[in-house]
Amino acid sequence: AQSVTQLDSQVPVFEEAPVELRCNYSSSVSVYLFWYVQYPNQGLQLLLKYLSGSTLVKGINGFEAEFNKSQTSFHLRKPSVHISDTAEYFCAVSQDSGGGADGLTFGKGTHLIIQP
Amino acid sequence: DGGITQSPKYLFRKEGQNVTLSCEQNLNHDAMYWYRQDPGQGLRLIYYSQIVNDFQKGDIAEGYSVSREKKESFPLTVTSAQKNPTAFYLCATKALAGAAHGELFFGEGSRLTVL
Repeated sequence: AQSVTQLDSQVPVFEEAPVELRCNYSSSVSVYLFWYVQYPNQGLQLLLKYLSGSTLVKGINGFEAEFNKSQTSFHLRKPSVHISDTAEYFCAVSQDSGGGADGLTFGKGTHLIIQP
Repeated sequence: DGGITQSPKYLFRKEGQNVTLSCEQNLNHDAMYWYRQDPGQGLRLIYYSQIVNDFQKGDIAEGYSVSREKKESFPLTVTSAQKNPTAFYLCATKALAGAAHGELFFGEGSRLTVL
């Protein structure tokens, strides 16, 4: 079985400061990793994904994440945040790269709060 | 526009009533999913379907039912047997072939409140 741990339920950051949202996963097989963002009362939107290749993945809105197999981590980073980045962020894992119908396993989410 | 439409956006029901949430997609994706979201608990999988007339239980299927009579539609019924149905419900789809490797696409969600 696979699982995802998001270590921080809430992260307050000042505007224009850097941020890192932490994600660790557990799985006995190769995994595929995702970060999603959710604004209040909306669905989830994909920020970025890691399937294979370069361990540094760049996504939308200036976010990037690094896959670290030895530490089983996939932390999300942004060098300078904006008020509009205030949202809930979810890390998710799958053992299936797309050919099967298994859904994703999600972490409990991290609420990013940007302070002016 | 291509996308996933969930309705209604907000729904109130009395205890003991069944309610059906609609999910329609025009992305031509084969797989469809229902997730439940509660504050601080992330998303939990209720049911999913890979093809028409077939579906599988997820982690929290008790008190819910689904059907998949058409590729485009995957309605979720919250029955009176669901003990704590107040939650935000999210429908998602996935293409099983093509460029969108493993990615789930989400609707805007339906918020159900039991009075």
